Amino acid sequence: DTGVSQDPRHKITKRGQNVTFRCDPISEHNRLYWYRQTLGQGPEFLTYFQNEAQLEKSRLLSDRFSAERPKGSFSTLEIQRTEQGDSAMYLCASSLARGLAHEQFFGPGTRLTVL
Amino acid sequence: DQQVKQNSPSLSVQEGRISILNCDYTNSMFDYFLWYKKYPAEGPTFLISISSIKDKNEDGRFTVFLNKSAKHLSLHIVPSQPGDSAVYFCAASEDKLIFGTGTRLQVFP
Repeated sequence: DTGVSQDPRHKITKRGQNVTFRCDPISEHNRLYWYRQTLGQGPEFLTYFQNEAQLEKSRLLSDRFSAERPKGSFSTLEIQRTEQGDSAMYLCASSLARGLAHEQFFGPGTRLTVL
Repeated sequence: DQQVKQNSPSLSVQEGRISILNCDYTNSMFDYFLWYKKYPAEGPTFLISISSIKDKNEDGRFTVFLNKSAKHLSLHIVPSQPGDSAVYFCAASEDKLIFGTGTRLQVFP
């Protein structure tokens, strides 16, 4: 399967704990995006990378959130000191750089539940 | 403020008939739009897109229409099939995607 993969698919944690999610994009895609989706809403942009450079971060991304893409391949999203409001589906997507294609291809998501 | 709006949270259509899903946007600088389909517990799947230099794009049963003066786009599915039952999101591309809140389509026999 050469699509976008995410790990884990589900994560249940207690408030105050740290969690880390991983995303592996489609191999030839140089852009990688993170989104968050809550019930009844569309996905909301969090941040994106072109190769290893983080090009944009949303105001939604508080200082408890950090994302990395150290070698321009896979990416991690870490949430420190989780809060109940962090419960959501975290989606990763990848694409070729704009100007070649706008379409982003999504992974299955990681569902986070903070108790 | 919501820059991309899908004002119908749900739509129910009989199999074989046309489904029309609507989307409005507020930013006239948006120049590329996409439709995604989402099943429960899966990520969104790309369906069809349209550039602002066009007013129509067709792919099989799916056609997207863009009315720039009205800042409105619509997705037509014809004929609708039960497997089309899902949540449909429209999105504007600004490098990142800006999504609407989605419309749940149910196609019944």
